[in-house]
Amino acid sequence: DSGVTQTPKHLITATGQRVTLRCSPRSGDLSVYWYQQSLDQGLQFLIQYYNGEERAKGNILERFSAQQFPDLHSELNLSSLELGDSALYFCASSPRQGSGNTIYFGEGSWLTVV
Amino acid sequence: QKEVEQDPGPLSVPEGAIVSLNCTYSNSAFQYFMWYRQYSRKGPELLMYTYSSGNKEDGRFTAQVDKSSKYISLFIRDSQPSDSATYLCAMGTGGYNKLIFGAGTRLAVHP
Repeated sequence: DSGVTQTPKHLITATGQRVTLRCSPRSGDLSVYWYQQSLDQGLQFLIQYYNGEERAKGNILERFSAQQFPDLHSELNLSSLELGDSALYFCASSPRQGSGNTIYFGEGSWLTVV
Repeated sequence: QKEVEQDPGPLSVPEGAIVSLNCTYSNSAFQYFMWYRQYSRKGPELLMYTYSSGNKEDGRFTAQVDKSSKYISLFIRDSQPSDSATYLCAMGTGGYNKLIFGAGTRLAVHP
């Protein structure tokens, strides 16, 4: 158990809908990252937050948004969902920002868009 | 061309074999190199972490980094069926922790 908690574990929703994925980082970790993993794209970095502020952005669609709250938990909001958004969404955390730190992944939220 | 290239496999070996997993990369600024193991539909789990060039050993696992060739390897000795998983290489440049992952190599160790 990495200590990173993600909810929900599984989610099925229809195209055009909006969902929110939630992440609680490891105790004491200030950085939160979101990754998307699909069969044809591998593990893709979406966005990083550090202590409530956005720090780095990857291939995140405009339909997606995220935030990190004062208690350090984070939410990833996915709207106007399309079939191609079906994927595993991982949250990860690390104590500080910077690539010298290892990041620890949660178990993921499996999103299916039908 | 992708920044990180990794053969997706699958790689099938008998129990007890030595397994070699590799990644190549194009960005010479990468300084941090990691290997993650991912079981089916589970979160990636950190296996090895190496800074710059050199070797690092941890039990049955050895990670090698050759920055001059832009090539990293993970060796698994005395492979076990429980090692069957997807192995992802990851690397970063420093600063903000935007790790770039390889596509992952699927490994199957059969008894």
